[in-house]
Amino acid sequence: QVQLQESGPGLVRPSETLSLTCTVSGGSIPYYYWSWIRQPPGKRLEWIGYIYYSGTISFSGTTNYNPSLKSRVTISLDRSNNQFSLNLHSLTAADTAIYYCARGQYYNGPPDYWGQGTLVTVSS
Amino acid sequence: QSVLTQPPSVSAAPGQKVTISCSGSSSDIGDNYVSWYQQLPGTAPKLLIYDTTQRPSGIPDRFSGSKSGTSATLGIAGLQTGDEADYYCGTWDGRVSAWVFGEGTRLTVL
Repeated sequence: QVQLQESGPGLVRPSETLSLTCTVSGGSIPYYYWSWIRQPPGKRLEWIGYIYYSGTISFSGTTNYNPSLKSRVTISLDRSNNQFSLNLHSLTAADTAIYYCARGQYYNGPPDYWGQGTLVTVSS
Repeated sequence: QSVLTQPPSVSAAPGQKVTISCSGSSSDIGDNYVSWYQQLPGTAPKLLIYDTTQRPSGIPDRFSGSKSGTSATLGIAGLQTGDEADYYCGTWDGRVSAWVFGEGTRLTVL
């Protein structure tokens, strides 16, 4: 069964860049949609975006981002390590949240497998 | 970007049935499948319903989903204290090509 595990810093300073990595085990990267989703404390879930990789050697993946975050987000793949990553730039306190990575089976389908989540606090 | 509307809270007694509504628009619920998630305190969301009415393997048939127009409903029958959690609906918003979630509903089993 596929498992996902987030890793990265728990505390980041305002205006800096958040970098998180999701390691996928028990499954492979190609042909799935790999998402990042966040949840501020006590608030609703917010989809950040996903990356899809078709398995073509020379193809780095197709991304799709939440319009409200698109200007600050980059999601990328590390196929050799079965990982995908999130970079979120120009952080503010409003970016404090639990960040989850998750897998989807089609472009408009639900994330079905989720990581346990990692709390990121933006504070000086 | 749209946000799906859910009641903040619902409650019912053990053994009873409860329904949770999720209201959207023509570009999201009206034109796409709906999913439902259960989030127990301190844990990641768990997929309960996908493609509006389908249950993943291992989800009991006490959980059911339906849709009419731009609204969807999650039903939970035979309530148990272990069902106390936050429940979120989610769907694709074709207008902005993004996945959207509801505001969440807290279920209390009295």
